[in-house]
Amino acid sequence: GESVGLHLPTLSVQEGDNSIINCAYSNSASDYFIWYKQESGKGPQFIIDIRSNMDKRQGQRVTVLLNKTVKHLSLQIAATQPGDSAVYFCAGTFTGGGNKLTFGTGTQLKVEL
Amino acid sequence: KAGVTQTPRYLIKTRGQQVTLSCSPISGHRSVSWYQQTPGQGLQFLFEYFSETQRNKGNFPGRFSGRQFSNSRSEMNVSTLELGDSALYLCASSKDRVNTEAFFGQGTRLTVV
Repeated sequence: GESVGLHLPTLSVQEGDNSIINCAYSNSASDYFIWYKQESGKGPQFIIDIRSNMDKRQGQRVTVLLNKTVKHLSLQIAATQPGDSAVYFCAGTFTGGGNKLTFGTGTQLKVEL
Repeated sequence: KAGVTQTPRYLIKTRGQQVTLSCSPISGHRSVSWYQQTPGQGLQFLFEYFSETQRNKGNFPGRFSGRQFSNSRSEMNVSTLELGDSALYLCASSKDRVNTEAFFGQGTRLTVV
């Protein structure tokens, strides 16, 4: 079956540095991935998505990379700010699953001043 | 453009009772999915509704049910509540069924005592 996981439960970075959050998935029949940011007491906030026919996608200060060969994706946050402190989840949809998202376990990003 | 609205935000119920949660998706979105979030299990898919029909169901007991109305608003119901049902229940709204952005509401925090 499909599964999505995150590599590190916690990541600490200095303000202004770049952050890289990693995620792996187990099923090759994956269609689509989304990165979410969740702050305490709030619902997950959509950050950026990537389709399986793409290797890279950029947004404002964020870049997602998808390596289908090793079934790995990463979220890069440039010039990390205190407001980026949150839990980050990767989630994927898989062939035949419609909009069902399978979530990773989440990485807590801590930005140190 | 209004986001996903979930009501109520907080709920306290007693074991054995039942509860109904509501979700209003983003205007124009026809797909509504429900997720349960707990510290131990993370984010788990409950079910997805599209055009008033359940399209996909997660691995939850029959006590968990839902429905979708013609205006795309959705409700989920949990009967015979158990302590383990205490969780944050999240609703996600998508325009279509496949590989489309999913936006979450703030969630309903259910506490069963």
